[in-house]
Amino acid sequence: DIQMTQSPSFLSASVGDRVTINCKASQNINRYLNWYQQKLGEAPKLLIYNANSLQTGIPSRFSGSGSGTDFTLTISSLQPEDVATYFCLQHNSWPYTFGAGTKLELK
Amino acid sequence: EVQLVESGGVLVQPGRSMKLSCAASGFTFSSFPMAWVRQAPTKGLEWVATISTSGGSTYYRDSVKGRFTISRDNAKSTLYLQMDSLRSEDTATYYCTTARYWGQGVMVTVSS
Repeated sequence: DIQMTQSPSFLSASVGDRVTINCKASQNINRYLNWYQQKLGEAPKLLIYNANSLQTGIPSRFSGSGSGTDFTLTISSLQPEDVATYFCLQHNSWPYTFGAGTKLELK
Repeated sequence: EVQLVESGGVLVQPGRSMKLSCAASGFTFSSFPMAWVRQAPTKGLEWVATISTSGGSTYYRDSVKGRFTISRDNAKSTLYLQMDSLRSEDTATYYCTTARYWGQGVMVTVSS
């Protein structure tokens, strides 16, 4: 199975900060990497698909980059509504695997 | 509006069976591979099973292989997950998803 190592596990930042979350795959997954946001008690929401494509309706402050084994989700200017847990998902090969998540809180 | 509505979750004893359903609307169900993803309480996400658009191909994570069966009825725009020989470690919220669209989830508790 492909292991997805996500970092950091916990992040505290202020409104307006630039925030980056990383995922590292244990082997090449090309660009088959999605990013999800999950707020407490809610289902995950797709933010970024195929590493760098912004899902329709998602604010442009969210962006994704990377290919191969190293990927980054960036929030250019943190907003209060961005408080959530963020997960990466590799869908290059079965079984699809998620990162362990990054819990983002406001400082 | 896209909707995925799961149903069927209850409290069940270890070793028993349960069937989840997911009713889809607002998109062409038959055009999308579908999947079940689960999340144990306070834990991360785990991809459980995937089914192709026709239902001809299915994939399962090792821990549920031989116990869970994913299926679909394209005429009814409905996805299913038959879960047999349930274990305590199967306790989780189960989500129906296309990877883009997600249901709100249904809780399955396996306990004596």
